[in-house]
Amino acid sequence: GENVEQHPSTLSVQEGDSAVIKCTYSDSASNYFPWYKQELGKRPQLIIDIRSNVGEKKDQRIAVTLNKTAKHFSLHITETQPEDSAVYFCAASIRYSSASKIIFGSGTRLSIRP
Amino acid sequence: GAVVSQHPSRVICKSGTSVKIECRSLDFQATTMFWYRQFPKKSLMLMATSNEGSKATYEQGVEKDKFLINHASLTLSTLTVTSAHPEDSSFYICSALLNSGIGSYNEQFFGPGTRLTVL
Repeated sequence: GENVEQHPSTLSVQEGDSAVIKCTYSDSASNYFPWYKQELGKRPQLIIDIRSNVGEKKDQRIAVTLNKTAKHFSLHITETQPEDSAVYFCAASIRYSSASKIIFGSGTRLSIRP
Repeated sequence: GAVVSQHPSRVICKSGTSVKIECRSLDFQATTMFWYRQFPKKSLMLMATSNEGSKATYEQGVEKDKFLINHASLTLSTLTVTSAHPEDSSFYICSALLNSGIGSYNEQFFGPGTRLTVL
């Protein structure tokens, strides 16, 4: 089955600096890679996703990159702000399948220092 | 976006009792829902896939007799934790799959979660 590894587990950056979170996946059939932000005690919120036919996607201060050959994908947050502090999860999923399910990485606790 | 609700949001029960958690898709029909468990400061662990009108598919290591799943309608899935014990205390989150049609990427929408505490 799919296995998703995520690094680092904790990340502290100065406000205004960039943050990068990296993930790898094991199942080459995975074709959809969402990223979630979760605040304490709340549900995960989808912040951006990327599909396997795309190498990079950007939405304002957030960007994701995907290297299918290496089975790596990354989240980049630029100009970080205090409200970016949260736990971030990468995930991998196989779509176009009735058995579609999302497997989560272990999470990264991001702290933004003022 | 699509809305998924969960009830109750918080429950405290005595050891040995059973607890039912409901997951509802409020503005769309979901033939597939998922149940996750999350321990403090840990990731979401997929427990099972709930399929409307058929048996749930459980992930390896999850006891199906312990965690009963019923998906009786296109908008409701329930998770019953039977004979709960303190080690079952956790944050349980459901998600519903919004089927956008053949060939599309189906997005999952998460419920707000249920915090279960077993005394």
